[in-house]
Amino acid sequence: AQKVTQAQTEISVVEKEDVTLDCVYETRDTTYYLFWYKQPPSGELVFLIRRNSFDEQNEISGRYSWNFQKSTSSFNFTITASQVVDSAVYFCALSAYSGAGSYQLTFGKGTKLSVIP
Amino acid sequence: NAGVTQTPKFQVLKTGQSMTLQCAQDMNHEYMSWYRQDPGMGLRLIHYSVGAGITDQGEVPNGYNVSRSTTEDFPLRLLSAAPSQTSVYFCASSYSRASSGYEQYFGPGTRLTVT
Repeated sequence: AQKVTQAQTEISVVEKEDVTLDCVYETRDTTYYLFWYKQPPSGELVFLIRRNSFDEQNEISGRYSWNFQKSTSSFNFTITASQVVDSAVYFCALSAYSGAGSYQLTFGKGTKLSVIP
Repeated sequence: NAGVTQTPKFQVLKTGQSMTLQCAQDMNHEYMSWYRQDPGMGLRLIHYSVGAGITDQGEVPNGYNVSRSTTEDFPLRLLSAAPSQTSVYFCASSYSRASSGYEQYFGPGTRLTVT
């Protein structure tokens, strides 16, 4: 069985502060994929990043960065110089082989980020 | 490409009524799935399909039926709606090939209320 834990239910920061969203995962598979999705107040799910289990390089995309550490089973997400538009619910997700030729995506419960102007 | 489309966007049902949530994708994706999103619960997998004619249960399948007669369509049926099925429903699709990393594309969601 696979599991994703996002221990932070809600976070509030003041605009321009940095914020890190934590994600810890569990799986017995050696090949798996990790994702972050953003759900703004409008409700749609927006894909942010994908990382496979063999690539532990950290990634930076503008103000966003991701730190993947297999040793601690963590895939944390940092927003630098937060902006009001970053206010959303952020989901971490794990995709691992579930048999019958398919992978299943397991989501964490999400972290609601509020950026206060 | 329209991507993943879902209809309707909103629906109100009475307990015991039946209905079908529609989902279609035009990306020729093999894999399609249905999730429900409830406050504080994240997204939970209801049913999924790895190709036309093949479906399987996810984490919370009770009360829902699915079928996959074509690659493009994956409808979700509620046979006898219950208040516990009040939720936001998302359909998603992806390639099943390992090289794609199994990124799932999500539809805009259907907000269902059962009274």
